[in-house]
Amino acid sequence: SQQGEEDPQALSIQEGENATMNCSYKTSINNLQWYRQNSGRGLVHLILIRSNEREKHSGRLRVTLDTSKKSSSLLITASRAADTASYFCATESTSGTYKYIFGTGTRLKVLA
Amino acid sequence: DGGITQSPKYLFRKEGQNVTLSCEQNLNHDAMYWYRQDPGQGLRLIYYSQIVNDFQKGDIAEGYSVSREKKESFPLTVTSAQKNPTAFYLCASSIARRTGGNEQFFGPGTRLTVL
Repeated sequence: SQQGEEDPQALSIQEGENATMNCSYKTSINNLQWYRQNSGRGLVHLILIRSNEREKHSGRLRVTLDTSKKSSSLLITASRAADTASYFCATESTSGTYKYIFGTGTRLKVLA
Repeated sequence: DGGITQSPKYLFRKEGQNVTLSCEQNLNHDAMYWYRQDPGQGLRLIYYSQIVNDFQKGDIAEGYSVSREKKESFPLTVTSAQKNPTAFYLCASSIARRTGGNEQFFGPGTRLTVL
């Protein structure tokens, strides 16, 4: 069963605008990761946030984690056409099996 | 160059045939994973392996089999028992840290189509 659910399913914005996508999950986690997938390609790791962290930055990316609400958000600032892709969250449960559960993804389209 | 490779990129299978998808990594990672992705969907875990000669079923293992005889290789066989095998298959690897989280490195994927 899939643990993560991304919201919205699809997002279309103009270049230069910020894009925010959310991920909700169901059980206790060790960490949460965000990945990017260009059409027809493999996934690329963007950022990892541990359960004891609340916010993390990497370049134009900002990730927040609220373990009380079992949710995370990914903010991409000053978006570019090259950011067009699908974005997935992945959670590692506290069971320690190195097993990750991926969400359903948000399809982001950045219009030039 | 270090990385993870999958072959073939495209694979066509007739109904009733078994096919094997290749996944190789030279990252010296202990853990390897196979996922299935259907159009417009997220990834679903088929099998994963934390160490050589050991592997565990994921959420949708029925109709699939794997082996892990070498650290570098984790081939996936899609058997005739898999009723709807047409999908995009992704292999990934990671180190197996106990704490701190494990970034997964993905291959480029194999698109399997059943004719």
